[in-house]
Amino acid sequence: DQQVKQNSPSLSVQEGRISILNCDYTNSMFDYFLWYKKYPAEGPTFLISISSIKDKNEDGRFTVFLNKSAKHLSLHIVPSQPGDSAVYFCAVQGGSEKLVFGKGTKLTVNP
Amino acid sequence: NAGVTQTPKFQVLKTGQSMTLQCAQDMNHNSMYWYRQDPGMGLRLIYYSASEGTTDKGEVPNGYNVSRLNKREFSLRLESAAPSQTSVYFCASSYRGQSTEAFFGQGTRLTVV
Repeated sequence: DQQVKQNSPSLSVQEGRISILNCDYTNSMFDYFLWYKKYPAEGPTFLISISSIKDKNEDGRFTVFLNKSAKHLSLHIVPSQPGDSAVYFCAVQGGSEKLVFGKGTKLTVNP
Repeated sequence: NAGVTQTPKFQVLKTGQSMTLQCAQDMNHNSMYWYRQDPGMGLRLIYYSASEGTTDKGEVPNGYNVSRLNKREFSLRLESAAPSQTSVYFCASSYRGQSTEAFFGQGTRLTVV
């Protein structure tokens, strides 16, 4: 039973436009949420995070939004750049400290 | 800065062979993880270690054993490799506790034939 769902396997956007990646989770006990970025043949790298006491966290072009009542978070990238093309993983953490990942969304930013 | 180092980077095994994947981190992290990544399946946790000498099963532990002999190193052993264990394996580490991000190694691509 999937605890973290990224329902869009892929997303394609034009350079300069907004990219919105979505993630849903099932357990309300999760209280820390992260986004990772992964290029081919490399390990995932941390991008941005948010704790359950906030509903928004911003870091440059990247913003994560958390809707606790809907158990939904999203990552906005504005403006999107070709170098943002990668697989993006949503991850959640609860009391056990283990990080649970979604299946990922492959983002392609077209020049 | 080495960060998280995994060896080997590539490995081909025959069914039934055994091998150990090595992982070391130099960030003084307490927690270490082993994940596997398969197409369409995301990153699935195999084992987790919160501190030296402690380990805990993750989502897909069957067919694997781990060893956390010291703070720096966390190894993953396949006692009798099966084709279903063909995957890319990632080791990660983090500070103990919640609200901390994990840092990943470059991965080991394992093929079992």
